[in-house]
Amino acid sequence: AQSVTQPDIHITVSEGASLELRCNYSYGATPYLFWYVQSPGQGLQLLLKYFSGDTLVQGIKGFEAEFKRSQSSFNLRKPSVHWSDAAEYFCAVGAHGGGADGLTFGKGTHLIIQP
Amino acid sequence: DTAVSQTPKYLVTQMGNDKSIKCEQNLGHDTMYWYKQDSKKFLKIMFSYNNKELIINETVPNRFSPKSPDKAHLNLHINSLELGDSAVYFCASSEGLAGYQETQYFGPGTRLLVL
Repeated sequence: AQSVTQPDIHITVSEGASLELRCNYSYGATPYLFWYVQSPGQGLQLLLKYFSGDTLVQGIKGFEAEFKRSQSSFNLRKPSVHWSDAAEYFCAVGAHGGGADGLTFGKGTHLIIQP
Repeated sequence: DTAVSQTPKYLVTQMGNDKSIKCEQNLGHDTMYWYKQDSKKFLKIMFSYNNKELIINETVPNRFSPKSPDKAHLNLHINSLELGDSAVYFCASSEGLAGYQETQYFGPGTRLLVL
């Protein structure tokens, strides 16, 4: 069965600094990969997704992610964070079968922005 | 216009009660989902449903049942509520029938507290 690991439960970054959130997946075939963001008390919003093609994908709010098949990773990056980026970030893999055709999420990384 | 809406936003109830959470999407999507987010923010799919097929995550107790009066609605009924059912429940929808490879749009969540 597919799985997603986000090794960092919390990350603290200074405003204006660069950011990288890690995501590793386990899936037997070519994965469909997503990054979602959840602001406090809100639902989830899609930041970006990877299905095929160029392994560097651009998303909203200045985020990008790079798919590396050899490392089974799909890390999220942003060159300069803003205080409004403080939120919970979820990496997810879409997999067919194995119990509902939905998304399997990682446990999330809580991003804290220091002034 | 809200794309995916849920009611109620908050639900506090006693153990043993039966409750329902409503979900509506105005996106014209074919597939809808229910996810459960536990106290540690872990998101797990419960159901995916389109007009042809209901797929149930095998770990979901049969006290939970989705009901879809039409394509735009997928309500979640929970019988004999237990303390462990306390969580945030998210409804989502996607355009086509293959949710594992599509963008899912999430509602704002329903915060259920069972006393």
